Amino acid sequence: AQSVTQLDSHVSVSEGTPVLLRCNYSSSYSPSLFWYVQHPNKGLQLLLKYTSAATLVKGINGFEAEFKKSETSFHLTKPSAHMSDAAEYFCVVEGSARQLTFGSGTQLTVLP
Amino acid sequence: GAGVSQSPSNKVTEKGKDVELRCDPISGHTALYWYRQSLGQGLEFLIYFQGNSAPDKSGLPSDRFSAERTGGSVSTLTIQRTQQEDSAVYLCASSLVHRDETQYFGPGTRLLVL
Repeated sequence: AQSVTQLDSHVSVSEGTPVLLRCNYSSSYSPSLFWYVQHPNKGLQLLLKYTSAATLVKGINGFEAEFKKSETSFHLTKPSAHMSDAAEYFCVVEGSARQLTFGSGTQLTVLP
Repeated sequence: GAGVSQSPSNKVTEKGKDVELRCDPISGHTALYWYRQSLGQGLEFLIYFQGNSAPDKSGLPSDRFSAERTGGSVSTLTIQRTQQEDSAVYLCASSLVHRDETQYFGPGTRLLVL
């Protein structure tokens, strides 16, 4: 069984400042981990994925995530927030039968 | 190429009525998934189809929910005798499975049960 915990339901940053969205997971084996973003009234979009290759994963729109097995974490970061980054972000772990287990989501607000 | 498509995009129904939600996966994708996103909650897995194998129905919340996939392509999610708690966004995803484990999501169907 696997689970995902997103530690913050809401994160607010100023434009141009760094973004940190926290995610911890539990899994009985080496998991595949993903971050998805959902903009208002739009479908989910894959930001990046970790599949046991490099622990630092680069995604689209300047986002990165680092897999830390010792901390069971997969936090999402971006050096400089943009207004268009405002959205809901989901941390996801892949389980058996290719099922995805989603975290409860983090709503990112970017202030001008 | 075209992504995953879902229809209708929005559905309003009365309590007790049946609804059908449709998903067209990406051409060539053998795996298809249904998820539900209720207000204020994370995404919830419902059902998984892989080729011609028996579907994994472990996520269906009640026997009012059913899904089928015809010809290994289009899928229909049916909710019978809808209840207000069924109101949610229903998302469909597909993946190649063997060569690409990424799941590609459709835009979702927003269901409102009055």
